[in-house]
Amino acid sequence: AQRVTQPEKLLSVFKGAPVELKCNYSYSGSPELFWYVQYSRQRLQLLLRHISRESIKGFTADLNKGETSFHLKKPFAQEEDSAMYYCALSGSSGRTYKYIFGTGTRLKVLA
Amino acid sequence: GAGVSQTPSNKVTEKGKYVELRCDPISGHTALYWYRQSLGQGPEFLIYFQGTGAADDSGLPNDRFFAVRPEGSVSTLKIQRTERGDSAVYLCASSPSGGMNTEAFFGQGTRLTVV
Repeated sequence: AQRVTQPEKLLSVFKGAPVELKCNYSYSGSPELFWYVQYSRQRLQLLLRHISRESIKGFTADLNKGETSFHLKKPFAQEEDSAMYYCALSGSSGRTYKYIFGTGTRLKVLA
Repeated sequence: GAGVSQTPSNKVTEKGKYVELRCDPISGHTALYWYRQSLGQGPEFLIYFQGTGAADDSGLPNDRFFAVRPEGSVSTLKIQRTERGDSAVYLCASSPSGGMNTEAFFGQGTRLTVV
């Protein structure tokens, strides 16, 4: 079964502390992994994708195929990082590619 | 340019009524997706269009749900005989080509409430 699991509904950290948002996936094949973010009163938007190997707003994510994980990390959290974070995978189903999302983790960065 | 636009932003309807939700994708994007997001859940896939055709409608929950994209641009999600369980935020997204690595650009969603 294709599934994305985000075990934490809510994660609270203090400003300046490290943050790790967990994501595990189940997929038969080689999916592409993404993190999407939704700030308050804004639309869902891409934060980063595995294939780009990039760091966005100080966030990075490493794909661990052995553990089927794609955890999102940032060494020093900022108040503006408070948002809803969704891990997603994209995989082929015949000729189509659809995104499968996790249930999301709300990150609260406390002053 | 403008992003993905969804109308209306809010819709309240009575149980049993018919509703239409509209999505205007980014110009030139051939791929269009509909998702449904219930409270406390992540977006749940409904249907994917590549051009005018529905390439994957495996997420539509039952035959009360139907979507069209007649000219390969604007799409309409249609729900017949609405039920209270249909209450959710309906999200539309588009991408340039729909390939595995392409970013999906989301609209702000339509919040549907069935009373």
